[in-house]
Amino acid sequence: GQNIDQPTEMTATEGAIVQINCTYQTSGFNGLFWYQQHAGEAPTFLSYNVLDGLEEKGRFSSFLSRSKGYSYLLLKELQMKDSASYLCAVMDSNYQLIWGAGTKLIIKP
Amino acid sequence: DVKVTQSSRYLVKRTGEKVFLECVQDMDHENMFWYRQDPGLGLRLIYFSYDVKMKEKGDIPEGYSVSREKKERFSLILESASTNQTSMYLCASSPLAEYNEQFFGPGTRLTVL
Repeated sequence: GQNIDQPTEMTATEGAIVQINCTYQTSGFNGLFWYQQHAGEAPTFLSYNVLDGLEEKGRFSSFLSRSKGYSYLLLKELQMKDSASYLCAVMDSNYQLIWGAGTKLIIKP
Repeated sequence: DVKVTQSSRYLVKRTGEKVFLECVQDMDHENMFWYRQDPGLGLRLIYFSYDVKMKEKGDIPEGYSVSREKKERFSLILESASTNQTSMYLCASSPLAEYNEQFFGPGTRLTVL
């Protein structure tokens, strides 16, 4: 079966760095997405990785290792507004998105 | 800005009622999707559509149907609502190319009593 695993909840301190991991087992791979979802709101796109390596976008970076079925989202200089759920999704061989359950990130002052 | 709107943010219905959830996007996207989101589970795809009058079943289509009569509008229909369909329903759209991100609406929280 297809499976996306990510931690249920993480806590970090304002100004610090946090890494949210995602491991996947899917039938085929056509890219990995990270979305941010604030409570009660719609998910919004953060990043897309299809090749191995690190993609940096401001305070957020996303890393992919296809051979290991592994990705992480790195958030630097954490701000209170970064408190949200972070969803990992993999596009399979049929170009369908398989979603993880999301990681709830709690930022403490 | 891409905008995806859904007809209701909150909806309360009774068991056995027919329920319509409407989704409209204003960016001329070919692809539209309906998901449900439940605590502890990832988003699960109910139905999707790549073109007008075209629909494909997702992972959990049972108890649902859809309609896409116009490119900008994708409707989800619960023929006879049941309590296990209480959930958050999210609509999304994306351009034709497979690798494009999906843009989500604000969601409809449906409670079936």
